Amino acid sequence: NAGVTQTPKFQVLKTGQSMTLQCAQDMNHNSMYWYRQDPGMGLRLIYYSASEGTTDKGEVPNGYNVSRLNKREFSLRLESAAPSQTSVYFCASSEAHYPDTQYFGPGTRLTVL
Amino acid sequence: LAKTTQPISMDSYEGQEVNITCSHNNIATNDYITWYQQFPSQGPRFIIQGYKTKVTNEVASLFIPADRKSSTLSLPRVSLSDTAVYYCLVEGGGATNKLIFGTGTLLAVQP
Repeated sequence: NAGVTQTPKFQVLKTGQSMTLQCAQDMNHNSMYWYRQDPGMGLRLIYYSASEGTTDKGEVPNGYNVSRLNKREFSLRLESAAPSQTSVYFCASSEAHYPDTQYFGPGTRLTVL
Repeated sequence: LAKTTQPISMDSYEGQEVNITCSHNNIATNDYITWYQQFPSQGPRFIIQGYKTKVTNEVASLFIPADRKSSTLSLPRVSLSDTAVYYCLVEGGGATNKLIFGTGTLLAVQP
């Protein structure tokens, strides 16, 4: 039981490049989330998926797109990376939509030059 | 929108009880209060959740007064391994897009 896994762990991009961050959970959870965490700041919700087949915007969705591929997987795509998107990205999942315990992945550290 | 306010940092010594207070003046009727712990280079980890009065589990207690405008996380007899950032999160009301973590409290435990 790996919990929530994220790939890659580290990534460096040039401005304008695109990439997809992958997230998978093996706990049969219904809800999944993407957060970003900037130095010295708390987590900010980018997008979430309350259940398979649905996605909704969080607090800071601009510049990102998401896909809930199936119940296990929730990906985050940066179409044209910008230096302001340099951050640590965390994926999380929970059994129910709210209020429920969120289980977080180890994070992806992204640098955009 | 139920924003939270916490102290930026706290210091303690091993074996002491630590109380971290979170202010959430605009908490809504359906909101729950959840605390997470985060170590460097790791994702946050759930500690405890409550709605009102007192909740206790094997690692912490959560005290919520009747007006629910604040909450206090109590860590009994802290150790060096409790050095981490602690986040208070107010969530619920069906508005997931309003899930907002504050900046957290950095707890430094010294020997």
